[in-house]
Amino acid sequence: DTEVTQTPKHLVMGMTNKKSLKCEQHMGHRAMYWYKQKAKKPPELMFVYSYEKLSINESVPSRFSPECPNSSLLNLHLHALQPEDSALYLCASSAKQGPTGGEYFGPGTRLTVT
Amino acid sequence: DQQVKQNSPSLSVQEGRISILNCDYTNSMFDYFLWYKKYPAEGPTFLISISSIKDKNEDGRFTVFLNKSAKHLSLHIVPSQPGDSAVYFCAASARGTGFQKLVFGTGTRLLVSP
Repeated sequence: DTEVTQTPKHLVMGMTNKKSLKCEQHMGHRAMYWYKQKAKKPPELMFVYSYEKLSINESVPSRFSPECPNSSLLNLHLHALQPEDSALYLCASSAKQGPTGGEYFGPGTRLTVT
Repeated sequence: DQQVKQNSPSLSVQEGRISILNCDYTNSMFDYFLWYKKYPAEGPTFLISISSIKDKNEDGRFTVFLNKSAKHLSLHIVPSQPGDSAVYFCAASARGTGFQKLVFGTGTRLLVSP
């Protein structure tokens, strides 16, 4: 199973809502990542978890709160988002931390903040 | 400040011919380079990588060339197939300085026509 799954595929939320994005992999990977991709822009790294511990936070606003409950799951909790946070949110995993090329990406969650 | 640039937003090639996708970078600390392919509604898929100690890496129909002095790399696809039609992202990292994030280019949309 070389798949990273993400739910939901699409999410529309208001600025006062609280929602969560979920990511799951069963490849035994110990590094998991959240990326944000705006239209016609490249993916930008947000967070890296290595062995279930947050190792990189790319100065992401606190309205985004990551969580790694276990080695297979990665969540991104959203609260009080702004319309400019609308984007495609990509989850990825790799056997270990570091851009080895073995990063497997999920299909993404398309988020719209109204 | 775009450290990785893909100056051609799109490329059209006939089936069976060579596709050449180009990428330029500005950060001389980058020492590892990757190409990803992205189909609509899917996450990026790793294609091929190259370390800065090499100038060429080949995998089947895909070859990546690295010119460090010019800070330029290219992806050659020979022969091109309609199934290669996708967005191709170049990415770079500075592994030699410890874990560094992947920096992506803006992507080139390749269309291979029968």
